[in-house]
Amino acid sequence: DGGITQSPKYLFRKEGQNVTLSCEQNLNHDAMYWYRQDPGQGLRLIYYSQIVNDFQKGDIAEGYSVSREKKESFPLTVTSAQKNPTAFYLCASSIGGQGENTEAFFGQGTRLTVV
Amino acid sequence: KQEVTQIPAALSVPEGENLVLNCSFTDSAIYNLQWFRQDPGKGLTSLLLIQSSQREQTSGRLNASLDKSSGRSTLYIAASQPGDSATYLCAVLSGGGADGLTFGKGTHLIIQP
Repeated sequence: DGGITQSPKYLFRKEGQNVTLSCEQNLNHDAMYWYRQDPGQGLRLIYYSQIVNDFQKGDIAEGYSVSREKKESFPLTVTSAQKNPTAFYLCASSIGGQGENTEAFFGQGTRLTVV
Repeated sequence: KQEVTQIPAALSVPEGENLVLNCSFTDSAIYNLQWFRQDPGKGLTSLLLIQSSQREQTSGRLNASLDKSSGRSTLYIAASQPGDSATYLCAVLSGGGADGLTFGKGTHLIIQP
């Protein structure tokens, strides 16, 4: 089954704790993305990676960190510096680049709640 | 900076009606536009991708059009069904050095049985 797998589906974080969200894809895509979705605000780009061992900050990168050691994997760490981490997090991938055929595919999301 | 607006924010129609969802964007320098469907608590499912050189794309009961010069796209749903109830999002892939998609806030659609 080809696609993007995010885990866990639900995650609870205590104050001051770092948590890591997993994203794995078997589509052989070069580019991977992390978005945050809040009610009434739409999706906002946190980080993206166009190639292994390289990644760039998106619009709301503060309090988050990523790594891209393998083509298939793009984990997102929500650090204690992120003051309002409760949200729905979505991972996406595409063939990469900026062309007419660049189509994005999404995982099923991880809902993070601060307790 | 690219901005995407979707109108209406919410729509409720009886089953069987044809309907149109609207999406507008401020910068016409786009590579493509995608329409997505999102069910509650789920990820996004890609419905249609329209390349910047195309005017429309069709998939089953869905037809999406693109007028790049005016910064507009519409998603037409024919013969709506209760299973079409979901939030519909449009997103543009822009040039100018930006990476990733810019999303609208979505249209929440309810089809009444």
